[in-house]
Amino acid sequence: DVKVTQSSRYLVKRTGEKVFLECVQDMDHENMFWYRQDPGLGLRLIYFSYDVKMKEKGDIPEGYSVSREKKERFSLILESASTNQTSMYLCASSFSGVLGETQYFGPGTRLLVL
Amino acid sequence: AQSVSQHNHHVILSEAASLELGCNYSYGGTVNLFWYVQYPGQHLQLLLKYFSGDPLVKGIKGFEAEFIKSKFSFNLRKPSVQWSDTAEYFCAVNEGNAGNMLTFGGGTRLMVKP
Repeated sequence: DVKVTQSSRYLVKRTGEKVFLECVQDMDHENMFWYRQDPGLGLRLIYFSYDVKMKEKGDIPEGYSVSREKKERFSLILESASTNQTSMYLCASSFSGVLGETQYFGPGTRLLVL
Repeated sequence: AQSVSQHNHHVILSEAASLELGCNYSYGGTVNLFWYVQYPGQHLQLLLKYFSGDPLVKGIKGFEAEFIKSKFSFNLRKPSVQWSDTAEYFCAVNEGNAGNMLTFGGGTRLMVKP
C-alpha cells in the first residue's frame, strides 16, 4: 500500500519566516509533486521532480523553492512566508514511464501565515 | 495552457438520487483523464481514470465516467448516491506530451442528505 506522509498537518507561521514542508513516500516513485489547494481553485501545481536533484516549475512557483536530495523525500520551502501563502499544501508521488500514472497523495499540511 | 472546468461547485442530493458531475477540458490533443475524490478528513484518492479504449470507464464504489472526445468532456456519474458519497470531487487531465503532470478542475463539493 502506497504511503505518502507529510511532516505536519497544521502549521502557523509569521510573515517573513522561512517555512519547510517535508514529504516522504515509501514506494520508490520517481515523480514527486507539490500542490496547493484553495477553495474553488482546485489543486494547482507548484513544483514537481522527476528524479533526485531534478525539479521543474509548475503553474505557480513564485515564492516557493524545492529540494530533492533523496528519492523518497521532497521538500517545499517558502523563503519568506506571506499571508497569501496561507493554504492547504498537498504532496503527491507517482511512477514515471507510462503517461498519466496515478498520483498518490499525502494528508496535506494546512498552513496559516499571520 | 490546459484548463479544466467543473461547472458545479456545490451539489446537494438526497440519498438514492442520481448524480452527474460535469468536467470539460480545453486541450485538443491526446489526453488521459482522472477523477479524484477527497472524503472529509481523508487523503485525495483516485476514483477512476481513462487512458484509451472503451470511453465508458468504471471506478470504485459504483462510479463511472464517460469520455466524449467531441465535447471535450469526462462527466462522472452514479445512478444512486449514498450518504457516504459526501465528499469533494476533482476532475484532472494529463496532456499526452506532459509527462505525469496533471491539471485539476476547481472541484465539486457533494453533500448527500440521509
